[in-house]
Amino acid sequence: EPEVTQTPSHQVTQMGQEVILRCVPISNHLYFYWYRQILGQKVEFLVSFYNNEISEKSEIFDDQFSVERPDGSNFTLKIRSTKLEDSAMYFCASSVQGGNTGELFFGEGSRLTVL
Amino acid sequence: EDQVTQSPEALRLQEGESSSLNCSYTVSGLRGLFWYRQDPGKGPEFLFTLYSAGEEKEKERLKATLTKKESFLHITAPKPEDSATYLCAVRGSARQLTFGSGTQLTVLP
Repeated sequence: EPEVTQTPSHQVTQMGQEVILRCVPISNHLYFYWYRQILGQKVEFLVSFYNNEISEKSEIFDDQFSVERPDGSNFTLKIRSTKLEDSAMYFCASSVQGGNTGELFFGEGSRLTVL
Repeated sequence: EDQVTQSPEALRLQEGESSSLNCSYTVSGLRGLFWYRQDPGKGPEFLFTLYSAGEEKEKERLKATLTKKESFLHITAPKPEDSATYLCAVRGSARQLTFGSGTQLTVLP
């Protein structure tokens, strides 16, 4: 069964360092997303991406965040200068369709710990 | 602003003891209500999508229903392997999903 894969599964970094989280969405999916879940809190939307550009972003997704699809398979989330409050589980998701329809399929997540 | 409230926060059942989880929502123009299962340290696993009031969907021991204000996830004769956190999410006029806090279900053998 096709699945969304994410690397690394866990990353520990120092405050102020840059981090790149990687995702391989399901191959025939066209819409890509990043969500995050701080420990014990709700899953929160960060950004959606379609046709090589951001289609929506939340207030959380400020200038320190960026996303990229560098090739035909990978989808990355970059955090330029990490803060303690960026510690969370980051989930990549993809869907065949966006907008009004389309179930999101999530990866296993990348746990980011900022020290 | 879309809002999702799930209850109860936690539920402990004996194996075989049926029950229901509730998801109340406020959304501007519902474009889908989603149920996910999340195991500890894992990503949400898709279960169901419901689009209109009166719609029902079933999968094994799970059945999801939808009204104009809430959705229920009914669990019939649960087994220990059904233990997980069940998340409800809505998609409104803003196309991203808004999640609830989840119901942590524990099924005891």
